[in-house]
Amino acid sequence: QSVLTQPPSVSEAPRQRVTISCSGSNSNIGNNAVNWYQQLPGKAPKLLIYYDDLLPSGVSDRFSGSKSGTSASLAISGLQSEDEADYYCAAWDDSLNAPVFGGGTKLTVL
Amino acid sequence: QVQLQESGPGLVKSSQTLSLTCTVSGGSINTDHYYWNWIRQPAGKGLEWIGRVYTSGSTNYNPSLRSRVTISVDTSKNQFSLKLRSVTAADTAVYYCAREVAATGNAAVFDYWGQGTLVTVSP
Repeated sequence: QSVLTQPPSVSEAPRQRVTISCSGSNSNIGNNAVNWYQQLPGKAPKLLIYYDDLLPSGVSDRFSGSKSGTSASLAISGLQSEDEADYYCAAWDDSLNAPVFGGGTKLTVL
Repeated sequence: QVQLQESGPGLVKSSQTLSLTCTVSGGSINTDHYYWNWIRQPAGKGLEWIGRVYTSGSTNYNPSLRSRVTISVDTSKNQFSLKLRSVTAADTAVYYCAREVAATGNAAVFDYWGQGTLVTVSP
């Protein structure tokens, strides 16, 4: 069971917008930055969003992140088939003194 | 462009020690800007942080694995390594090495990853 909670799966049609939630506690999301990773099938994870809402160089601005209290969200607009992947949230946990991940959300583009 | 590459045996017998090395190219490992991490992923499951090492050699480990893990760094070879002792089938996973930004403290920002290597624990 993961420290951060994500829905196992989400799906949406092409060109639409989808959001993926990530719920935690005061010891992680509530007090630390949230980061999001995209894992394409058979590939290593890739940093998608860092420090809650910043995009690394080269990441499409169709991706955006937000945080409120002990929850965070990843939004993907203008969905494309190439966005089909697993998405993970992560944050440092002060109680565990370790980074923790969500269980991952599988995005299906219908 | 920084690249990380894992290497080591793909098959380890139960109760033995899993040993992996991550070779960093395109940048020096001997910098105080980054931590060097190991993360694993069992087939069909999520990501689990194993631990990290700093250029000074200081380490942090996942509390659930701390008793079995050692991570070390060799700055002369631009490598860092993982040893996981007394492995069982539950340790079968893809093992990734990853660079973590240290600029603003603990933030779980893993900006570069290796391609991953599958390690299977056999009976």
